[in-house]
Amino acid sequence: DAKTTQPPSMDCAEGRAANLPCNHSTISGNEYVYWYRQIHSQGPQYIIHGLKNNETNEMASLIITEDRKSSTLILPHATLRDTAVYYCIVRVVVYNQGGKLIFGQGTELSVKP
Amino acid sequence: NAGVTQTPKFRVLKTGQSMTLLCAQDMNHEYMYWYRQDPGMGLRLIHYSVGEGTTAKGEVPDGYNVSRLKKQNFLLGLESAAPSQTSVYFCASSYTRGTGTREQYFGPGTRLTVT
Repeated sequence: DAKTTQPPSMDCAEGRAANLPCNHSTISGNEYVYWYRQIHSQGPQYIIHGLKNNETNEMASLIITEDRKSSTLILPHATLRDTAVYYCIVRVVVYNQGGKLIFGQGTELSVKP
Repeated sequence: NAGVTQTPKFRVLKTGQSMTLLCAQDMNHEYMYWYRQDPGMGLRLIHYSVGEGTTAKGEVPDGYNVSRLKKQNFLLGLESAAPSQTSVYFCASSYTRGTGTREQYFGPGTRLTVT
């Protein structure tokens, strides 16, 4: 699975958009980009994933560059409850191969009033 | 629908003692996983299972054993606990659909201290 690079920490004002970058310059053509977050002491929570196209769901948007070497997770209107560590993970999705996740250090996002 | 549950939530062991952590899911997921998380670190995969009766090693399997006798349960055993196994343990499950496995659902964690 490709290695990812994220900034260790970021701040965001409440109500503003939070843009979390992730670099995955060695990503392969069949690797997906996944985002999870972990609110203090809780189990990680799935946010969104994508392969090539931009994706949006009720939680966030995922923007993947055309060359797929980087991506940005966007929380459109950050709230205090979005304060968490955000993990960007790239992996192959292969049927019956276990779907293992390799977690890095993530980005600690602090949403401030 | 309780999702993924873990038992116990907290435990303190002495070096050399044994214990079993239980993970249960009610979503009929095929895949289940055990991770550990040390302070300030991301999660690391210990063992995983792609179905009832099957298990496989992850990144850090040494010192742990697992069993998946029923689809809904995944047990993690420590035969002889060591201080290095002090950690927070998370269980997760996922299902397969279409081109492969999908998002993982995590339990609340078990905080284990080995003295």
